[in-house]
Amino acid sequence: DGGITQSPKYLFRKEGQNVTLSCEQNLNHDAMYWYRQDPGQGLRLIYYSQIVNDFQKGDIAEGYSVSREKKESFPLTVTSAQKNPTAFYLCASSPGVGDPYQETQYFGPGTRLLVL
Amino acid sequence: AQKITQTQPGMFVQEKEAVTLDCTYDTSDPSYGLFWYKQPSSGEMIFLIYQGSYDQQNATEGRYSLNFQKARKSANLVISASQLGDSAMYFCAMREGGDSGYSTLTFGKGTMLLVSP
Repeated sequence: DGGITQSPKYLFRKEGQNVTLSCEQNLNHDAMYWYRQDPGQGLRLIYYSQIVNDFQKGDIAEGYSVSREKKESFPLTVTSAQKNPTAFYLCASSPGVGDPYQETQYFGPGTRLLVL
Repeated sequence: AQKITQTQPGMFVQEKEAVTLDCTYDTSDPSYGLFWYKQPSSGEMIFLIYQGSYDQQNATEGRYSLNFQKARKSANLVISASQLGDSAMYFCAMREGGDSGYSTLTFGKGTMLLVSP
C-alpha cells in the first residue's frame, strides 16, 4: 500500500538533546513538507523540499534542520536551539507542480514530541 | 492579517443532519486553491476536497461539498447527512500562486465538529 510513514509515534527529548523524526513516502511524490501543530492551533510550515538535495525554510525554521538525500525520505532534526519543541509534527508530500490537483498534500500519521 | 479565518471554534450537529463549516480567506493572487482537511483524534490529516480559484463549479466529493463564493472570499465546507465518524477537527487551507512552481499551504486554526446521536 502506498502512503507516508512517520516514526516514532511518540518521542521524548531531554533538554539540550538533538532528535530526528523520520518521514518516508512510497507515493513517488516530488515534494515533501514538515509542519508543526500546537494544541488548539493550525499547522505551521517548518521546511519543505521540492526535489532531492534541495529544501526551503518555512515560517518557523529556526531550531530545525532537514535533509533530502533520497526522494522517499525527508527527516527532520529538532536541535537544542529549538526552545519550545513540544508539539505534534506532521510530514506531508505532494505529487508536484503543474495541475493544481498535483499540489494536494497528503499527510503521515504524525509524531508527538515531548521534552522532559 | 490572517490569510485563513475559521470563526467557529466548535460546532454541534445531530446525526443525519447537514452542517456548514465556515472559512474565509484573504489573497490578492488571482490563482489560488482552497483545501479542506479532517483531523480525527488520531492526529492524521485527511484530505477532503479541493477548489481552484478558476473552477466554475463548486467542488463536491461524496457527502462533502464546497460552497465557493469568490466575491465574498469564502469557501465553506458543507457536510450532508452527518455521521458519528465525522466528529473531528476540520481545517481550511489555501495555496497561493502555483503555475510557475511549487507553493505551500496556509492553514486556518480549525473548527471542532461534534456529531451527536
